[in-house]
Amino acid sequence: EVQLVESGGDLVRPGRSLRLSCTGSGFTFGDYAMSWARQAPGKGLEWVGFIRKETYGGTAEYAASVEGRFFISRDDSESIAYLQMNGLKIEDTAVYYCRRGDAGDYWGQGTLVTVAS
Amino acid sequence: DIVMTQTPLSSPVTLGQPASISCRSSQSLVHSDGNTYLSWLQQRPGQPPRLLIYKISNHFPGVPDRFSGSGRGTDFTLTISRVEAEDVGVYYCMQATHVPYTFGQGTKLEIK
Repeated sequence: EVQLVESGGDLVRPGRSLRLSCTGSGFTFGDYAMSWARQAPGKGLEWVGFIRKETYGGTAEYAASVEGRFFISRDDSESIAYLQMNGLKIEDTAVYYCRRGDAGDYWGQGTLVTVAS
Repeated sequence: DIVMTQTPLSSPVTLGQPASISCRSSQSLVHSDGNTYLSWLQQRPGQPPRLLIYKISNHFPGVPDRFSGSGRGTDFTLTISRVEAEDVGVYYCMQATHVPYTFGQGTKLEIK
């Protein structure tokens, strides 16, 4: 059974950094791109970005709203994808979802990031 | 960026009756590889989204047959043949043809 478990969500002050983790199981992690999406409270879904699998260069793509501040990485030996979030803004407050694949077939349960002073 | 426009934004339906949701993209979603990466997702209240349909009309495993997808180019439709109580929630279309990928604004399905 495919499972994705996010962790690392927290309450942080504007301008600070936070790293989210996504641990995958039930599939060969290195065979898939991994992606992130977010959902602000009471709002719709927003694509954040994805990282390609290593055989496709392991490069990442990002939404304009996070480019230059957020960075996605992966550790295939541990089956973990990371979302490093720097320079957090109040508008980054959201539930962050990890997804398998660039288009996202399986989704995790999400982890809440609250940015507030 | 590709803009995904869903209609209606809210859809009250009667149990057992059909429902359909439209999604229109601001540009063609046909990829250079010939595929059209248009998906439909369902988000039940308090739950994470889940994939229903991918590449316009393909069922994700475990998705009931009453859900179907159709369309081409820039116009797509999700149809529920007979709405059941468990179908209540918000439905999103999403395109994964052009980076940045984008979601529709969501359509809330509720029972009359």
